[in-house]
Amino acid sequence: DQQVKQNSPSLSVQEGRISILNCDYTNSMFDYFLWYKKYPAEGPTFLISISSIKDKNEDGRFTVFLNKSAKHLSLHIVPSQPGDSAVYFCAQEGTGGTSYGKLTFGQGTILTVHP
Amino acid sequence: GAGVSQSPSNKVTEKGKDVELRCDPISGHTALYWYRQSLGQGLEFLIYFQGNSAPDKSGLPSDRFSAERTGGSVSTLTIQRTQQEDSAVYLCASSLNGGGQETQYFGPGTRLLVL
Repeated sequence: DQQVKQNSPSLSVQEGRISILNCDYTNSMFDYFLWYKKYPAEGPTFLISISSIKDKNEDGRFTVFLNKSAKHLSLHIVPSQPGDSAVYFCAQEGTGGTSYGKLTFGQGTILTVHP
Repeated sequence: GAGVSQSPSNKVTEKGKDVELRCDPISGHTALYWYRQSLGQGLEFLIYFQGNSAPDKSGLPSDRFSAERTGGSVSTLTIQRTQQEDSAVYLCASSLNGGGQETQYFGPGTRLLVL
């Protein structure tokens, strides 16, 4: 059973527009959420995170929203640029017990930004 | 400074053979993680080393998988009697202390193909 789900395998967006990537999770015990970005033949790189005590975190063009009641996480990229084309993974981290430090990832969404 | 490195970058092996995958974490990082990404799947946690503590092996899929970390630095993931379902990208990550809400830095991965 998939604890973290990214239901859209791909997303195509025009340069300059907003990209919205979505993620749903099932386990409310996790209290820290992250987005990683991955280019082909490279490892994932950390992009942005949010703690469950917040509902929004912003870093430049990237904003992550957390809706705890809906168990839903989203990443907004605005304006989107062609260099943002990559695979985006959402992840959640347990910060207690046996889940401490371990990341649980979604399947990833391939974002393509067209010039 | 140097990031996380992994070797080999690609490995093709025959079913039933043993393979060893190597990870060199970022210097000074005490925590080291192994994940794997099978085709169409998200990253799946395998094992976690933190300092001198006993490793968290809860993600290893079978007893054919083992890992060690020598001298608190380099780690080797060994897969014995490989099966075709072991084909995946094996990713290593390290973090400074292994605490919660700490960025994990990933290597480029080893692409394993079992024929």
